[in-house]
Amino acid sequence: EAGVAQSPRYKIIEKRQSVAFWCNPISGHATLYWYQQILGQGPKLLIQFQNNGVVDDSQLPKDRFSAERLKGVDSTLKIQPAKLEDSAVYLCASSSAGRPPYGYTFGSGTRLTVV
Amino acid sequence: AQRVTQPEKLLSVFKGAPVELKCNYSYSGSPELFWYVQYSRQRLQLLLRHISRESIKGFTADLNKGETSFHLKKPFAQEEDSAMYYCALHSSNTGKLIFGQGTTLQVKP
Repeated sequence: EAGVAQSPRYKIIEKRQSVAFWCNPISGHATLYWYQQILGQGPKLLIQFQNNGVVDDSQLPKDRFSAERLKGVDSTLKIQPAKLEDSAVYLCASSSAGRPPYGYTFGSGTRLTVV
Repeated sequence: AQRVTQPEKLLSVFKGAPVELKCNYSYSGSPELFWYVQYSRQRLQLLLRHISRESIKGFTADLNKGETSFHLKKPFAQEEDSAMYYCALHSSNTGKLIFGQGTTLQVKP
């Protein structure tokens, strides 16, 4: 099966600019996650979707980050305006609802550098 | 609070030496624990899960509920084992996967 697709792979922006990341999960996977992985740290969950509804966004900095999953398939994560501390790899993952998390698959990530 | 702790940021060993990557967790209830690995320039991937009691690439991990640990072990390290290793806890209540900080394993020739 095809994996989780993310784009772009790399992005460099200046602080205060906006940026958007895209994720296409594995076909049929109802649950989609966005993680932020800062250099030297483990991935931190930003937001979790079940189909097109938000299950958990408690760690999403809502003053600047937003995410949506229209039609319960693709998802976009946006940062506006970006800060230097947003430099990180943004990982998307998907899993099948009701299955144990060994169905949990990660994308390659988008590496964001804010200068 | 649900938390995963990996106390070592870097573990450096020589080829053929035993390896133990430490992981401790905090979770009320029955935990589901995993080890993920990220090789250089590759995506994060599942290495093994405690419920399977399997050995992958020579690695094993035993869940010790008394010590709330899930250490990853390999008797003889290989150079190709050099990677970043993450211990992760799955919360059955929320469906979240909570990661530790990660340990870089460096296997020297």
